[in-house]
Amino acid sequence: AQSVSQHNHHVILSEAASLELGCNYSYGGTVNLFWYVQYPGQHLQLLLKYFSGDPLVKGIKGFEAEFIKSKFSFNLRKPSVQWSDTAEYFCAVTPRSGNTPLVFGKGTRLSVIA
Amino acid sequence: SAVISQKPSRDICQRGTSLTIQCQVDSQVTMMFWYRQQPGQSLTLIATANQGSEATYESGFVIDKFPISRPNLTFSTLTVSNMSPEDSSIYLCSVGVTGSGDGYTFGSGTRLTVV
Repeated sequence: AQSVSQHNHHVILSEAASLELGCNYSYGGTVNLFWYVQYPGQHLQLLLKYFSGDPLVKGIKGFEAEFIKSKFSFNLRKPSVQWSDTAEYFCAVTPRSGNTPLVFGKGTRLSVIA
Repeated sequence: SAVISQKPSRDICQRGTSLTIQCQVDSQVTMMFWYRQQPGQSLTLIATANQGSEATYESGFVIDKFPISRPNLTFSTLTVSNMSPEDSSIYLCSVGVTGSGDGYTFGSGTRLTVV
């Protein structure tokens, strides 16, 4: 079964710092990859997704992610974080083989301080 | 993309009782997925519900505790049975969207507190 690893449990950054959150997955076949954000007390919100094509994907709120197939990675980046980016970030994967559920990583809590 | 109506949005229940959560989708979908999000945790898949067959449960989840119904292609229910405080979580349903779009749609969640 596929699994998703998010190595950073809690990241603390100052405003304007650059962000990179790691995500690695274990699955030998073709996958669809997602990043979701969950602001405190709110529902999941899709940041970006990768299905195929350009491995550098741009999402909402200035986030981007790069799919590196050889490394089984899909790291999330943002050049300059804001206090409002404080949230929980979840990486998720599903095989591109049919109607299958998303498998989520454990999440990374991002705290942005002024 | 599909729109899911999930209810109830929250409930406080006594231990030993059961709660049934409903999800209604505005279009026909083959598979529906049920997740649990425990406080401060990620989403964990409970089961996959396919219309016309028994749900497929993930390791650690059993039908007696989390019975699921899928009577048609737009509706599913998840029951949390014989509840204990450890069942206090957010429960969400989800459907996949084939082709382009968001990929997956989630219900708004049911926040369950067991006292």
